[in-house]
Amino acid sequence: EPEVTQTPSHQVTQMGQEVILRCVPISNHLYFYWYRQILGQKVEFLVSFYNNEISEKSEIFDDQFSVERPDGSNFTLKIRSTKLEDSAMYFCASGNSANQPQHFGDGTRLSIL
Amino acid sequence: EDKVVQSPLSLVVHEGDTVTLNCSYEVTNFRSLLWYKQEKKAPTFLFMLTSSGIEKKSGRLSSILDKKELFSILNITATQTGDSAVYLCAVPPGAGSYQLTFGKGTKLSVIP
Repeated sequence: EPEVTQTPSHQVTQMGQEVILRCVPISNHLYFYWYRQILGQKVEFLVSFYNNEISEKSEIFDDQFSVERPDGSNFTLKIRSTKLEDSAMYFCASGNSANQPQHFGDGTRLSIL
Repeated sequence: EDKVVQSPLSLVVHEGDTVTLNCSYEVTNFRSLLWYKQEKKAPTFLFMLTSSGIEKKSGRLSSILDKKELFSILNITATQTGDSAVYLCAVPPGAGSYQLTFGKGTKLSVIP
């Protein structure tokens, strides 16, 4: 069964450094999402992406965040200057239409020191 | 303000028991409600519900939606230790939005 894959599984970074989290969505999907889950808290929406542009973003997704689909398969989340509070599990998800279920990757655990 | 509220937050049962997990929601222009199972990593899709009163079933798991009372239940019969997980309920929050708003989840522990 096709699945969403994310790399790396764990990223440790010094505060203030830039990180790029990578995702390969399911191949025929057109809608892409990033969510995060701080330890012990709810899964929270960050951003959705369709047709090579952001379609929605949350208040969390401020100027330090950006997303890109650099080629036909990858979908990336960049955090420009990481803060301690960015430590969380980041999930990528994809769906083949806006009204269809989103399928999640295994996540990248980001630890900011 | 929570728009998706799940109960109970945690539950411990013995193998073979039947459990019912609850999810209530408050959104404008309801379109769908989704259930996911989260073990160690990725939330894994279980069900998407759009119509009231129609049960969705997959093996020992089933779910139903009540759009009048704004809630859904997820039933698991003859529980097994492999059912131990956090069960998440999620809804798109409103018209034109396809992001998912998640509840806090119900942590189910099935003991032998």
